[in-house]
Amino acid sequence: QVQLVESGGGVVQPGRSLRLSCEASGFTFSTYGMHWVRQAPGKGLEWVAIIWSHGNNKYYADSVKGRFTISRDNSRNTLYLQMESLRADDTAVYYCAREGSSSSGYGMDVWGQGTTVTVAS
Amino acid sequence: DVVMTQSPLSLPVTLGQPASISCRSSQSLVDSEGNTYLNWFQQRPGQSPRRLIYKVSNRDSGVPERFSGSGSGTDFTLKISGVEAEDVGVYYCMQNSHWPPYTFGQGTRLEIK
Repeated sequence: QVQLVESGGGVVQPGRSLRLSCEASGFTFSTYGMHWVRQAPGKGLEWVAIIWSHGNNKYYADSVKGRFTISRDNSRNTLYLQMESLRADDTAVYYCAREGSSSSGYGMDVWGQGTTVTVAS
Repeated sequence: DVVMTQSPLSLPVTLGQPASISCRSSQSLVDSEGNTYLNWFQQRPGQSPRRLIYKVSNRDSGVPERFSGSGSGTDFTLKISGVEAEDVGVYYCMQNSHWPPYTFGQGTRLEIK
């Protein structure tokens, strides 16, 4: 079945770095765009970044631009989020999500279970 | 950026009764090709979000028929024809007509009265 499994979360000090991973299975990963979406404790959903299927186009939320880098390895069916200069307000559950096809209206049609990032000293 | 505004933010509903959530966008969600990309997501307690509706009114696979979406331009609605216990959670609208960024509403918390 279609599945996304995130990993790499943890507790990190302000100013440090962390890399999240999202392993995909059950579909042809290389043909889909992929997102990262986050949710701060008790808050709503915030889109973070998208990368197109071949990795040649990437877009970011203003709140993470210049600090976060989205990337992918289609040979490993894996999506990444490299997070630098982490701040307390980056504390959140980070979800990876698949960008749906044109026939399904694009948007996030499959979600992972999330990985928790806590930025604290 | 397109701002998405949901109402109400809290929605107590009696089991079996209908429920309705409104979502308004700060600008029309009709894109340059005439498509409207408005989605609805459900997030049950302790779970990841799940998409229910795409392109205003299309149900995703496996979504019960009691969920329906409607609207146009800047005004959209998610309706549940008869609320069941498993529908408890937070509902979000999201637009992907004018991106980046993709933008979500604040969320509406549905609870059983």
